[in-house]
Amino acid sequence: EIVLTQSPGTLSLSPGERATLSCRASQSVSSSYLAWYQQKPGQAPSLLIYGASSRATGIPDRFSGSGSGTDFTLTISRLEPEDFAVYYCQQYGTSPFTFGGGTKVEIK
Amino acid sequence: QVQLQESGPGLVKPSETLSLTCAVSGYSISSGYYWGWIRQPPGKGLEWIGTIYHIGSTYYNPSLKSRVTVSVDTSKNQFSLKLSSVTAADTAVYYCARTAAPTYYFDYWGQGTLVTVSS
Repeated sequence: EIVLTQSPGTLSLSPGERATLSCRASQSVSSSYLAWYQQKPGQAPSLLIYGASSRATGIPDRFSGSGSGTDFTLTISRLEPEDFAVYYCQQYGTSPFTFGGGTKVEIK
Repeated sequence: QVQLQESGPGLVKPSETLSLTCAVSGYSISSGYYWGWIRQPPGKGLEWIGTIYHIGSTYYNPSLKSRVTVSVDTSKNQFSLKLSSVTAADTAVYYCARTAAPTYYFDYWGQGTLVTVSS
């Protein structure tokens, strides 16, 4: 199975700063079938990005995804208070579909 | 608006079978889409369990395949998960979710339900 490694494990930033989250795959993710989810405490994950770079419905443009092959990035251009959460990447190109271990974005 | 709601026992004894149901509202399962289960052990990451299509086609994570059954009841607009021979390692929040294809992302999720395996 494809193992996804997210880094860093925790990102401590202030509102208004830029966040850069990494997701590295153990083998190439076919057709850039890579999604990003946001999860807040006690809530289900919610879809942010699919196809590596397409924003889901209603997602603000401060969220952007990029990358291909084995290296993917989620960028939050200017952190808003509601963006402090845990972020997961998921590859859905090869079964079994796998998730990364998550990156926690916390308030500095 | 599509909504999903998990239900089932919050406590299951070791070696028994975990059974959960996901009720779907705002969308008819018979109209299409695929429906999946994902779990998250406390404080840990996410694991895909399995996915089903409304006609009954199923797709399972090989690591759980021998113990998992996912089924659908279109008359009740719901689908279900059974996980047999559970151990403490199966303690997790179980989510149901919608996906557009067997190999796709999940766009709508239920709130999740915590299932604890303990005697």
